[in-house]
Amino acid sequence: NGLLTQPRSVSGSPGRTVTISCTRSGGSIASSYVQWYQQRPGSAPTTLIYEDNQRPSGVPDRFSGSIDSSSNSAFLTVSGLKTEDEADYYCQSYDGNNVMFGGGTKLSVL
Amino acid sequence: QVQLVQSAAEMRKPGASVKVSCKTSGYIFTNFGIAWVRQAPGQGLEWMGWIPGYESDTNYAQKFQGRVTMTTDISTSIAYLELRSLRSDDTAVYYCAREAVYGSGSDYWGQGTLVTVSS
Repeated sequence: NGLLTQPRSVSGSPGRTVTISCTRSGGSIASSYVQWYQQRPGSAPTTLIYEDNQRPSGVPDRFSGSIDSSSNSAFLTVSGLKTEDEADYYCQSYDGNNVMFGGGTKLSVL
Repeated sequence: QVQLVQSAAEMRKPGASVKVSCKTSGYIFTNFGIAWVRQAPGQGLEWMGWIPGYESDTNYAQKFQGRVTMTTDISTSIAYLELRSLRSDDTAVYYCAREAVYGSGSDYWGQGTLVTVSS
């Protein structure tokens, strides 16, 4: 079975750019689409990125997704950091049998 | 607009069952499936399974096989999650989310239902 690994935490200053990684083991990151979800404290998750790099309507273009086959990883990049971006971020993909989530990354905006 | 509204919080004793509902609106129910995801206190998201809107070919995570049943009521556009033989480690917020195709990712989420299992 596949596994998605994320850093437990990342941080950045307002206005800067941060990137959150999601590394797949037990399969190719390119074999299934990757989604990214944002979860603010006390709230339900919301969808930031679907199909590796697509943004739902209403999601600012400060959020972007990508994949890199060489590192077998997906990446969420948040540019122009705002204090409201402080939240937990989860990647999600599918290994052909099961849907899997990464363990989540807490983004702190210092 | 698309909405998923879940039932209120529940409290159960160990060994009991719970049934959580997810009332949908704003889209054609049978054109999309529903995923169920849970989150234990202070923990990450855990995928439980997916059911098509027309209720066939459900896909359950192996961890919950035999203890979970997902159903839908097309007449009311409501999805249900039933979890049996509850244990204390089933205490979590349970979310429903719209997901077009199994494994495709979710686009809209319910607000969550807290299920507390305690003697």
